[in-house]
Amino acid sequence: DQQVKQNSPSLSVQEGRISILNCDYTNSMFDYFLWYKKYPAEGPTFLISISSIKDKNEDGRFTVFLNKSAKHLSLHIVPSQPGDSAVYFCAASAGGGSQGNLIFGKGTKLSVKP
Amino acid sequence: EAQVTQNPRYLITVTGKKLTVTCSQNMNHEYMSWYRQDPGLGLRQIYYSMNVEVTDKGDVPEGYKVSRKEKRNFPLILESPSPNQTSLYFCASSFYRGPGTEAFFGQGTRLTVV
Repeated sequence: DQQVKQNSPSLSVQEGRISILNCDYTNSMFDYFLWYKKYPAEGPTFLISISSIKDKNEDGRFTVFLNKSAKHLSLHIVPSQPGDSAVYFCAASAGGGSQGNLIFGKGTKLSVKP
Repeated sequence: EAQVTQNPRYLITVTGKKLTVTCSQNMNHEYMSWYRQDPGLGLRQIYYSMNVEVTDKGDVPEGYKVSRKEKRNFPLILESPSPNQTSLYFCASSFYRGPGTEAFFGQGTRLTVV
């Protein structure tokens, strides 16, 4: 049973527009959520995170929104740039922010067209 | 430079021939883990270790072994590889607990078992 779901395998947006990547989870024990970005032939790199005590976290062009009642989070990229083209993984953990036992979604491939 | 180093990056082997993929981190992280990435399945955790001599199974441990004799190293051992273990493998490390202590990933090891 998938605990972290990214239902859109791919997303294509125009440069300069907003990219919205979605993630749903089923385990109410998750209390820390992260987004990772992965380029081909590289390992995933951390992008942004949010604790369950918040509903929004912003870092430059990247904002993550958390809706605990809906068990849903989203990553907004504004404005999108061609260099943002990558696979984005949503991940979740339980137990006070422990990063070790991360549960990942299947990923969404973002393509930003010039 | 803070990093997680995996070796080798690419490996082609034959069924049944024991192999080891090494992983080393220089950040004094307590937590280390192994993931495999397969098309359409995202990142799935194989094994993790919370500290020296403490290891536990992740979601897909069958056919794999690990050891944690030193804090910095966490090798992945395939005693008798089979073709269904053909995959892209990632090692990751992090501090055990606390917001902001994101997991760092290695560059990946692409394993092909024929």
